[in-house]
Amino acid sequence: AQRVTQPEKLLSVFKGAPVELKCNYSYSGSPELFWYVQYSRQRLQLLLRHISRESIKGFTADLNKGETSFHLKKPFAQEEDSAMYYCALKRSSNTGKLIFGQGTTLQVKP
Amino acid sequence: NAGVTQTPKFQVLKTGQSMTLQCAQDMNHEYMSWYRQDPGMGLRLIHYSVGAGITDQGEVPNGYNVSRSTTEDFPLRLLSAAPSQTSVYFCASSRMGLGYNEQFFGPGTRLTVL
Repeated sequence: AQRVTQPEKLLSVFKGAPVELKCNYSYSGSPELFWYVQYSRQRLQLLLRHISRESIKGFTADLNKGETSFHLKKPFAQEEDSAMYYCALKRSSNTGKLIFGQGTTLQVKP
Repeated sequence: NAGVTQTPKFQVLKTGQSMTLQCAQDMNHEYMSWYRQDPGMGLRLIHYSVGAGITDQGEVPNGYNVSRSTTEDFPLRLLSAAPSQTSVYFCASSRMGLGYNEQFFGPGTRLTVL
Protein backbone atom coordinates (compact mmCIF):
# COMPACT_ATOMS: atom_id res chain seq x y z
CA ALA A 1 0.00 0.00 0.00
CA GLN A 2 1.08 3.54 -0.61
CA ARG A 3 1.76 5.56 2.49
CA VAL A 4 3.46 8.83 3.36
CA THR A 5 4.66 9.43 6.90
CA GLN A 6 5.71 12.73 8.41
CA PRO A 7 6.79 11.84 11.94
CA GLU A 8 6.82 15.37 13.38
CA LYS A 9 3.56 17.25 13.94
CA LEU A 10 5.43 20.37 15.01
CA LEU A 11 8.97 21.55 14.38
CA SER A 12 10.05 24.68 16.17
CA VAL A 13 13.38 26.38 15.38
CA PHE A 14 14.97 29.77 15.78
CA LYS A 15 15.56 32.08 12.85
CA GLY A 16 18.84 31.24 11.14
CA ALA A 17 18.88 27.64 12.33
CA PRO A 18 18.88 24.73 9.87
CA VAL A 19 15.61 23.00 9.17
CA GLU A 20 14.87 19.43 8.17
CA LEU A 21 11.30 18.26 7.72
CA LYS A 22 11.16 14.49 7.51
CA CYS A 23 9.15 12.48 5.02
CA ASN A 24 9.19 8.73 4.53
CA TYR A 25 7.14 6.82 2.02
CA SER A 26 6.17 3.28 1.17
CA TYR A 27 5.53 2.41 -2.43
CA SER A 28 6.81 -0.52 -4.41
CA GLY A 29 7.05 1.28 -7.75
CA SER A 30 8.79 4.45 -8.87
CA PRO A 31 7.11 7.31 -7.04
CA GLU A 32 6.92 10.97 -7.81
CA LEU A 33 7.29 13.04 -4.65
CA PHE A 34 6.32 16.57 -3.80
CA TRP A 35 6.33 19.06 -1.00
CA TYR A 36 3.29 21.32 -0.64
CA VAL A 37 3.09 24.30 1.71
CA GLN A 38 0.18 26.12 3.30
CA TYR A 39 0.95 29.57 4.70
CA SER A 40 -1.46 31.12 7.16
CA ARG A 41 -4.74 32.09 5.49
CA GLN A 42 -3.49 30.99 2.08
CA ARG A 43 -4.33 28.00 -0.03
CA LEU A 44 -2.15 24.95 -0.34
CA GLN A 45 0.49 25.33 -3.03
CA LEU A 46 3.29 23.33 -4.55
CA LEU A 47 6.72 24.06 -3.10
CA LEU A 48 8.89 21.63 -5.01
CA ARG A 49 8.97 18.28 -6.77
CA HIS A 50 11.73 15.72 -6.78
CA ILE A 51 11.82 15.41 -10.56
CA SER A 52 12.98 18.97 -11.09
CA ARG A 53 15.67 18.84 -8.38
CA GLU A 54 15.22 22.56 -7.85
CA SER A 55 15.70 24.85 -4.89
CA ILE A 56 12.68 26.97 -4.03
CA LYS A 57 12.86 29.69 -1.37
CA GLY A 58 16.11 28.08 -0.21
CA PHE A 59 14.48 24.68 0.32
CA THR A 60 15.78 21.49 -1.26
CA ALA A 61 14.69 17.88 -1.06
CA ASP A 62 16.48 14.79 -2.28
CA LEU A 63 14.78 11.53 -3.02
CA ASN A 64 16.61 8.68 -1.29
CA LYS A 65 15.17 5.46 -2.69
CA GLY A 66 17.29 3.29 -0.41
CA GLU A 67 15.88 4.90 2.70
CA THR A 68 12.52 5.68 1.03
CA SER A 69 12.79 9.25 2.22
CA PHE A 70 12.24 12.72 0.78
CA HIS A 71 13.28 15.09 3.56
CA LEU A 72 12.90 18.84 3.07
CA LYS A 73 15.89 20.95 4.10
CA LYS A 74 16.86 24.56 4.43
CA PRO A 75 20.19 25.71 5.85
CA PHE A 76 18.94 28.94 7.45
CA ALA A 77 15.28 29.23 8.46
CA GLN A 78 13.42 32.53 8.08
CA GLU A 79 10.34 33.66 9.98
CA GLU A 80 8.34 33.71 6.74
CA ASP A 81 8.95 29.96 6.41
CA SER A 82 6.48 29.35 9.22
CA ALA A 83 3.72 27.26 7.67
CA MET A 84 2.23 23.79 7.39
CA TYR A 85 4.24 21.50 5.12
CA TYR A 86 2.88 18.38 3.46
CA CYS A 87 4.82 15.66 1.73
CA ALA A 88 2.90 13.94 -1.08
CA LEU A 89 3.37 10.92 -3.31
CA LYS A 90 2.06 10.23 -6.78
CA ARG A 91 2.28 6.95 -8.55
CA SER A 92 4.10 7.17 -11.85
CA SER A 93 0.87 6.74 -13.71
CA ASN A 94 -1.34 8.89 -15.82
CA THR A 95 -3.67 10.12 -13.08
CA GLY A 96 -3.15 13.07 -10.79
CA LYS A 97 -3.93 11.12 -7.62
CA LEU A 98 -1.82 12.27 -4.67
CA ILE A 99 -1.37 10.66 -1.27
CA PHE A 100 -0.47 13.15 1.46
CA GLY A 101 1.32 12.77 4.75
CA GLN A 102 -0.03 14.05 8.04
CA GLY A 103 1.70 17.39 7.72
CA THR A 104 4.32 19.19 9.82
CA THR A 105 3.85 22.65 11.22
CA LEU A 106 7.09 24.61 11.03
CA GLN A 107 7.38 27.42 13.53
CA VAL A 108 10.35 29.75 13.10
CA LYS A 109 10.91 31.90 16.15
CA PRO A 110 12.64 35.29 15.99
CA ASN B 1 -8.05 32.79 -14.62
CA ALA B 2 -9.86 32.29 -11.35
CA GLY B 3 -8.13 28.93 -10.85
CA VAL B 4 -9.99 26.64 -8.44
CA THR B 5 -12.96 28.18 -6.68
CA GLN B 6 -15.00 26.76 -3.82
CA THR B 7 -18.26 27.81 -2.24
CA PRO B 8 -19.24 28.37 0.47
CA LYS B 9 -16.24 29.39 2.58
CA PHE B 10 -17.96 28.53 5.83
CA GLN B 11 -20.97 26.38 6.64
CA VAL B 12 -22.69 25.19 9.80
CA LEU B 13 -25.04 22.23 9.56
CA LYS B 14 -27.15 20.27 11.98
CA THR B 15 -26.79 16.51 12.16
CA GLY B 16 -28.82 14.89 9.42
CA GLN B 17 -28.94 17.88 7.10
CA SER B 18 -27.67 17.58 3.56
CA MET B 19 -25.67 20.04 1.51
CA THR B 20 -23.45 20.37 -1.52
CA LEU B 21 -19.99 21.89 -1.55
CA GLN B 22 -19.27 23.46 -4.89
CA CYS B 23 -15.96 23.32 -6.74
CA ALA B 24 -15.11 24.75 -10.15
CA GLN B 25 -11.95 25.23 -12.17
CA ASP B 26 -11.31 27.16 -15.36
CA MET B 27 -8.02 25.57 -16.38
CA ASN B 28 -9.53 22.73 -18.41
CA HIS B 29 -8.00 20.18 -16.03
CA GLU B 30 -8.99 16.57 -16.45
CA TYR B 31 -8.27 15.53 -12.88
CA MET B 32 -10.26 16.88 -9.92
CA SER B 33 -10.37 15.72 -6.34
CA TRP B 34 -11.77 16.41 -2.89
CA TYR B 35 -9.76 16.22 0.33
CA ARG B 36 -10.61 16.74 3.94
CA GLN B 37 -8.07 18.23 6.31
CA ASP B 38 -8.16 17.26 9.97
CA PRO B 39 -5.58 17.98 12.69
CA GLY B 40 -3.02 15.20 12.91
CA MET B 41 -4.54 13.37 9.94
CA GLY B 42 -3.23 15.48 7.11
CA LEU B 43 -5.11 15.63 3.85
CA ARG B 44 -7.21 12.59 3.09
CA LEU B 45 -8.63 11.92 -0.34
CA ILE B 46 -12.41 11.58 -0.40
CA HIS B 47 -13.27 11.18 -4.10
CA TYR B 48 -11.60 11.97 -7.36
CA SER B 49 -12.38 12.19 -11.06
CA VAL B 50 -10.22 11.74 -14.14
CA GLY B 51 -12.72 13.32 -16.49
CA ALA B 52 -16.36 14.15 -17.08
CA GLY B 53 -18.55 11.19 -16.24
CA ILE B 54 -15.78 9.33 -14.38
CA THR B 55 -15.45 9.32 -10.61
CA ASP B 56 -13.81 7.01 -8.09
CA GLN B 57 -13.45 6.66 -4.35
CA GLY B 58 -10.47 7.78 -2.36
CA GLU B 59 -9.42 6.85 1.17
CA VAL B 60 -12.48 8.14 3.06
CA PRO B 61 -15.52 8.13 0.74
CA ASN B 62 -18.24 7.09 3.20
CA GLY B 63 -20.95 9.69 3.68
CA TYR B 64 -20.02 11.61 0.53
CA ASN B 65 -21.18 11.54 -3.07
CA VAL B 66 -19.74 13.20 -6.13
CA SER B 67 -20.57 13.61 -9.79
CA ARG B 68 -18.72 15.12 -12.74
CA SER B 69 -21.10 16.19 -15.46
CA THR B 70 -18.73 18.79 -16.90
CA THR B 71 -14.97 19.24 -16.98
CA GLU B 72 -15.26 22.42 -14.92
CA ASP B 73 -17.42 21.35 -11.97
CA PHE B 74 -16.99 18.71 -9.30
CA PRO B 75 -19.54 19.09 -6.47
CA LEU B 76 -19.30 17.14 -3.22
CA ARG B 77 -22.56 16.11 -1.56
CA LEU B 78 -23.09 15.28 2.07
CA LEU B 79 -26.31 13.27 2.18
CA SER B 80 -26.84 13.22 5.94
CA ALA B 81 -24.27 15.26 7.81
CA ALA B 82 -22.62 13.84 10.93
CA PRO B 83 -20.38 15.55 13.52
CA SER B 84 -17.49 13.39 12.28
CA GLN B 85 -17.68 15.30 9.00
CA THR B 86 -16.67 18.54 10.70
CA SER B 87 -13.54 19.44 8.79
CA VAL B 88 -11.96 21.72 6.24
CA TYR B 89 -12.63 20.55 2.70
CA PHE B 90 -10.32 21.26 -0.20
CA CYS B 91 -10.93 20.78 -3.88
CA ALA B 92 -7.97 20.39 -6.23
CA SER B 93 -7.38 19.98 -9.94
CA SER B 94 -4.52 19.14 -12.26
CA ARG B 95 -3.63 18.14 -15.78
CA MET B 96 -2.95 14.48 -16.31
CA GLY B 97 -0.08 12.76 -18.00
CA LEU B 98 3.66 12.79 -17.65
CA GLY B 99 5.07 16.18 -16.79
CA TYR B 100 1.76 17.60 -15.55
CA ASN B 101 2.16 17.09 -11.85
CA GLU B 102 1.11 20.20 -9.99
CA GLN B 103 -2.25 20.13 -8.24
CA PHE B 104 -3.96 23.46 -7.79
CA PHE B 105 -6.04 23.86 -4.67
CA GLY B 106 -9.10 25.87 -3.85
CA PRO B 107 -9.31 28.10 -0.76
CA GLY B 108 -11.22 25.51 1.25
CA THR B 109 -14.62 25.23 2.91
CA ARG B 110 -14.77 25.08 6.69
CA LEU B 111 -17.70 22.88 7.68
CA THR B 112 -19.06 22.44 11.18
CA VAL B 113 -21.70 19.82 11.92
CA LEU B 114 -23.50 20.24 15.22
